[in-house]
Amino acid sequence: NAGVTQTPKFQVLKTGQSMTLQCAQDMNHNSMYWYRQDPGMGLRLIYYSASEGTTDKGEVPNGYNVSRLNKREFSLRLESAAPSQTSVYFCASFNRGNSPLHFGNGTRLTVT
Amino acid sequence: SQQGEEDPQALSIQEGENATMNCSYKTSINNLQWYRQNSGRGLVHLILIRSNEREKHSGRLRVTLDTSKKSSSLLITASRAADTASYFCATDDRASKIIFGSGTRLSIRP
Repeated sequence: NAGVTQTPKFQVLKTGQSMTLQCAQDMNHNSMYWYRQDPGMGLRLIYYSASEGTTDKGEVPNGYNVSRLNKREFSLRLESAAPSQTSVYFCASFNRGNSPLHFGNGTRLTVT
Repeated sequence: SQQGEEDPQALSIQEGENATMNCSYKTSINNLQWYRQNSGRGLVHLILIRSNEREKHSGRLRVTLDTSKKSSSLLITASRAADTASYFCATDDRASKIIFGSGTRLSIRP
């Protein structure tokens, strides 16, 4: 049982390059999330998908796009990377009730 | 700004003392959760409290929730060196939007 699988673990981009972060969960969760965490800061919500077929903006959506490909997969795309997007990115999944968020291991992204 | 604001931002206590950190939020919630994060690591879930609950215990952890004041507190009793970490609250609303607080950095002095 893998839980939440997030790829890649590390990535270095030059300003203006694009990339997609992949996330998949095998827990049949309805909701999925993308967060970023800057050094010494808390997690900030970029986008979330409450259920398959829906996506909504979070606190810091600018510069990002998402796709909820199916119930399992939720990808995050940076179309034109900027140094301000240097951060650690976490994907998470969740089902209503008494359960916590389940996190991927994170992607450390550096934009030079 | 973030839904949850935590107070204090940093806390340093002697081993064996109790640590209390607070979280305030802005909108109606379904649940409130607390997480711990050790430096450079991922988040570990500590405890979840539903909006219709007022207090919950788990080992040395005690969480309270006051929905009228839109606030929660996390008490860690008899602190240990291993409790040194950052602690975050997270709230989820009816739309399943989950927002984290800014966190409290807890340091336990030997």
